[in-house]
Parts: sequence; structure tokens; C-alpha cells
Amino acid sequence: IAGITQAPTSQILAAGRRMTLRCTQDMRHNAMYWYRQDLGLGLRLIHYSNTAGTTGKGEVPDGYSVSRANTDDFPLTLASAVPSQTSVYFCASSQQGSGANVLTFGAGSRLTVL
Amino acid sequence: QKEVEQDPGPLSVPEGAIVSLNCTYSNSAFQYFMWYRQYSRKGPELLMYTYSSGNKEDGRFTAQVDKSSKYISLFIRDSQPSDSATYLCATTHNAGKSTFGDGTTLTVKP
Repeated sequence: IAGITQAPTSQILAAGRRMTLRCTQDMRHNAMYWYRQDLGLGLRLIHYSNTAGTTGKGEVPDGYSVSRANTDDFPLTLASAVPSQTSVYFCASSQQGSGANVLTFGAGSRLTVL
Repeated sequence: QKEVEQDPGPLSVPEGAIVSLNCTYSNSAFQYFMWYRQYSRKGPELLMYTYSSGNKEDGRFTAQVDKSSKYISLFIRDSQPSDSATYLCATTHNAGKSTFGDGTTLTVKP
């Protein structure tokens, strides 16, 4: 089934540890995104990539880094996790330049930082 | 001020009711207006979208955009328990990035 695969589904992490959330898409979309979703704050864009080899900062990039070595993969790394990074993380992709730029989302990664 | 403001809810209605979900936006450059539906512990998925002002109907769902008042609405007719979810409005302009409202959680009671 075409779509986005995120891993892990959920994770409990000690503060200060490094963590990478994985995201893979099989739709050959050019653009990919990472959002975090928190109660009362909605979806907030962390980082994005318009095409392989390029990345950009979103609304809340601090404490996170991304890379886009190829079209399909867009990992999100927390270098040193803090409790405020407890959230549900969604990876998404779209075909930019197609007008509406409809996003396809993964199922999410639920991260708890203690 | 957020670029997209959504009526927060939560909203609880009996089965068969007509539901109205609403958002306002501030940036007149927005051209595409989307509604995403998110079931509990799942990712959002596109329900429908419209371009510029006007109405778009898809079965029991109607999306309405009024660019003069910067108002976005989603109407659900004959609501069903399976419609229980969080609904997120979103807008996009030429730069391609989407801006989301915070979502309204709807519960349809049998």
C-alpha cells in the first residue's frame, strides 16, 4: 500500500539521549515534512524539505535536525532530548507544484521524554 | 495572531444532525483550502479541498469558502458515529507550505 511509514510507533526516552525518528515514503513525492502535534497547539511544522538534498526550518525547529539524502527518506533527529519534546510526531509528504499541495501523513510516532 | 483560527470545540451532536465546522484565516494570499480528518491515534487524511471562493460537495460533506470574509466552513449532513474525529482546516498558497488550524473534535452520538 502506497504511503508513509514511520518508526518507531512509540518510544519512551530518557532526557539527554539522542533519538532518530524514521520516515520513508513510496510515492516519489518531492516534498517532505515533519510536524509535531500537541493538545491545544495543533500541528506545528518542525522542518521541511522541498526536494532531495535541501532542507528548511519550520515554525519550531530548535532541538531538531533533519537530512534528505534521497527522495524517499527524511529522518528527524533529537540530538539531546528534553521533556518539552514529548509529543506526537507526524511525517508527511506532498508533490509540490501540483497546486493544492495535498499532504499525505504517516501514522505518527508517539515520543515521551522523561 | 495565528494565520488560521479554528473554532476549538469539542462538539457533540446526536446522530443525523447537521454539523458546521468553521475557520477564519488572515492571509489573503491563501488560495487552496483543505479539510483533513484525523481519527484517534491516526495521522490526518485529506477529506476535501477547494480552490478560491465557492462551494464543493462530496456526498454528505460540503466545503465552503468565502474569501471576502476569509471564512472557511465544512458542513456534514446526516452525521454518523463514524464521523467522530478531529477535523483540521488548512490553507496553502503558492509557496506550497500548509498552515493548519488547531482542530475541532467532533463526537456523533448514536
